[in-house]
Amino acid sequence: SQQGEEDPQALSIQEGENATMNCSYKTSINNLQWYRQNSGRGLVHLILIRSNEREKHSGRLRVTLDTSKKSSSLLITASRAADTASYFCATRPNAGGTSYGKLTFGQGTILTVHP
Amino acid sequence: DAGVIQSPRHEVTEMGQEVTLRCKPISGHNSLFWYRQTMMRGLELLIYFNNNVPIDDSGMPEDRFSAKMPNASFSTLKIQPSEPRDSAVYFCASLIVRNPGANVLTFGAGSRLTVL
Repeated sequence: SQQGEEDPQALSIQEGENATMNCSYKTSINNLQWYRQNSGRGLVHLILIRSNEREKHSGRLRVTLDTSKKSSSLLITASRAADTASYFCATRPNAGGTSYGKLTFGQGTILTVHP
Repeated sequence: DAGVIQSPRHEVTEMGQEVTLRCKPISGHNSLFWYRQTMMRGLELLIYFNNNVPIDDSGMPEDRFSAKMPNASFSTLKIQPSEPRDSAVYFCASLIVRNPGANVLTFGAGSRLTVL
């Protein structure tokens, strides 16, 4: 089963509105990351939040992490049509050695922003 | 920097044929990953290399799949023989391990494989 589960699976909003996507995971993590994927393209890293952090900002992005609930949220403020894409959370397990490579991705949220 | 380069971008082949996907990671990156993306299963990690050495291949679905990294600038993922259920987009990604806690991946554009 997927380590990260996003919801909603799809989100449709108007330009200027805020978009919130949620991610839940099952095991202890070292960090959680959000990636974006435009149709037909590879994934692009957006933001990383470590397990000892609760909130992080980057431009119009705000990420929160609640390790007690094993959940994270990604907020995109003042959305634009160009934000239309799929958004994935990815978790790195809290284990040593070479586990840094084992990012596990959720199924993603498809965001559509209407102009 | 040209980023992670994958080839071919699209491949259509018939069941039973051999398929070879290629990846050139970002220069200086010392870890390389192969992922597969399908609608049903999402993104799955197939295998990853650190300093050209395979570290974890537990995601490789079966013996028909093999991956090599003969040097720091090139990797291949081979499927032999291919089957229709192998149809997917295969992504290569790389990272540089400056700080193991910051494992941010840079992805290639993907290779879309269709097996008829």
